[in-house]
Amino acid sequence: KQEVTQIPAALSVPEGENLVLNCSFTDSAIYNLQWFRQDPGKGLTSLLLIQSSQREQTSGRLNASLDKSSGRSTLYIAASQPGDSATYLCAVQGGSEKLVFGKGTKLTVNP
Amino acid sequence: EAQVTQNPRYLITVTGKKLTVTCSQNMNHEYMSWYRQDPGLGLRQIYYSMNVEVTDKGDVPEGYKVSRKEKRNFPLILESPSPNQTSLYFCASSFLASAHTQYFGPGTRLTVL
Repeated sequence: KQEVTQIPAALSVPEGENLVLNCSFTDSAIYNLQWFRQDPGKGLTSLLLIQSSQREQTSGRLNASLDKSSGRSTLYIAASQPGDSATYLCAVQGGSEKLVFGKGTKLTVNP
Repeated sequence: EAQVTQNPRYLITVTGKKLTVTCSQNMNHEYMSWYRQDPGLGLRQIYYSMNVEVTDKGDVPEGYKVSRKEKRNFPLILESPSPNQTSLYFCASSFLASAHTQYFGPGTRLTVL
């Protein structure tokens, strides 16, 4: 059974800092991995989708990498801003078509 | 505007009173799914649907029913709600099951007394 772990559970950084969020998964037979952002009381917004054949994806200040063989992904946020404060979730999708989520990293960027 | 809508957004009910949470998407997506989110447990998939009339169980299907009679709608039915179904529920859709971004609805906060 696929399990997704995100470390750390919470992170607090000063504005302007570059940071890395980690995601690991136990079964490397995945179709894709997605990173989401969730603001308090709101739904999830997709940030990046990495196919199993890809190594990384970039969108603005965000860069996500995928190492399928080791079961790891990282989300790199450059020059963090207070507006980046949210919970970041990673999710993997495998052959069963089910999406399995990690429990998230709650990020606080202090002005 | 492309979106996934859910109704109601908030619901307080009592044990045993049947309820339906509606989900609708306007993006012509094939794949739709329901999740519940609980503190300390994260998001867990309840049911998903690959296409009209095709549904399958996720990780926590007990106590829930779904139907997919039209491509755009995927209602979640609680025949006899219990307090352990108090949770935040999300509907999501994507063009196909794999390799496509999932779009989430705004959530439905359900309280069962």
